[in-house]
Amino acid sequence: NAGVTQTPKFRILKIGQSMTLQCTQDMNHNYMYWYRQDPGMGLKLIYYSVGAGITDKGEVPNGYNVSRSTTEDFPLRLELAAPSQTSVYFCASGFGGGNQPQHFGDGTRLSIL
Amino acid sequence: AQKVTQAQTEISVVEKEDVTLDCVYETRDTTYYLFWYKQPPSGELVFLIRRNSFDEQNEISGRYSWNFQKSTSSFNFTITASQVVDSAVYFCALSEFRGSEKLVFGKGTKLTVNP
Repeated sequence: NAGVTQTPKFRILKIGQSMTLQCTQDMNHNYMYWYRQDPGMGLKLIYYSVGAGITDKGEVPNGYNVSRSTTEDFPLRLELAAPSQTSVYFCASGFGGGNQPQHFGDGTRLSIL
Repeated sequence: AQKVTQAQTEISVVEKEDVTLDCVYETRDTTYYLFWYKQPPSGELVFLIRRNSFDEQNEISGRYSWNFQKSTSSFNFTITASQVVDSAVYFCALSEFRGSEKLVFGKGTKLTVNP
């Protein structure tokens, strides 16, 4: 099983560019999440989805968009990249219900210059 | 609002020492879940343990043990006879039953185990 797969692993963007971070999972999880991790900080929730076609904002959604057209895929879109979006991005998935652990991808390290 | 505090930013120990990582949480819910994750230098996040608010039993898994105390809102993690491979950032996290899709993380404790 691949688990949660994120691409790319690293990316450098120029200010104002756009890009999509890809995330796919093969565990048939309904819930999927995007977090960002800044140095010395814990993970903060950007967006999450409880199933195909349903998404909702987390703690830090500004500057990002998501879509969930299938159970497997949950891409994160950055529009007009800003230096403040330099971070490590983690995608996660799980069965939800609060008591189920989330399974994380290996992360995407994004630098905006 | 839910909150997780890991007051220890960094801890450095010598191999074979025991070390305890502290986690204090805040929640208004009576049903909630606590987690510990490990982030080794390679960067991935590894799930270690889950505990629900109804179960205050301590848990031991090999050299790892967890002490959950509702009276002090703490969920501490102890590594016995630490090893160099334990070097990582450890995160404590909380999810509430009614906001069950949201996992709130502490800022993490960086543990360095020196040979």
